[in-house]
Amino acid sequence: DGGITQSPKYLFRKEGQNVTLSCEQNLNHDAMYWYRQDPGQGLRLIYYSQIVNDFQKGDIAEGYSVSREKKESFPLTVTSAQKNPTAFYLCASSTLQGILDEQYFGPGTRLTVT
Amino acid sequence: KQEVTQIPAALSVPEGENLVLNCSFTDSAIYNLQWFRQDPGKGLTSLLLIQSSQREQTSGRLNASLDKSSGRSTLYIAASQPGDSATYLCAVFGKAAGNKLTFGGGTRVLVKP
Repeated sequence: DGGITQSPKYLFRKEGQNVTLSCEQNLNHDAMYWYRQDPGQGLRLIYYSQIVNDFQKGDIAEGYSVSREKKESFPLTVTSAQKNPTAFYLCASSTLQGILDEQYFGPGTRLTVT
Repeated sequence: KQEVTQIPAALSVPEGENLVLNCSFTDSAIYNLQWFRQDPGKGLTSLLLIQSSQREQTSGRLNASLDKSSGRSTLYIAASQPGDSATYLCAVFGKAAGNKLTFGGGTRVLVKP
């Protein structure tokens, strides 16, 4: 079964703790993306990567970090520097022909920080 | 900077009525536009992708049109069903956003039986 998996589905953390969200894809896609979604709002891009060992900041990268050591994996770390980390986080992937191809999304991780 | 707007934010229709969802964008230099469906607490499911050179795309009861020059796209869902209840988001991929997707805020649809 091809697709994108994100784990866990729900995550709870105390303020001041770093937390890492997992994203794995077996679609052989080169590009991967992390988005944040807040209630009633569209998605905002946090980070994206088009190739292993390379990634770029999106519109709201502050307080987040990523790595891309393998083509299939693009974990996102929410650091204690992120002022308002409670949100729904979505991972996506696409081929590098972004102009022609669709982005496919994972099921999301809901992070709650108290 | 690209901005994408979806109005209305919420819509309620009786079952069987056709749905018309609107999406507008400020920069017409786009490569493609995607319509997504999102169920509560779930990820996004791609419904239709329209290339900038196309005027419409169809899939079953869904039809999406694109008018680049006026910065508009419309998603039509024929003969709506309660199972169509969800949030629908549009996103454009283009130069103004640095070759990344820019999302609208979505339209939340409720189809009443």
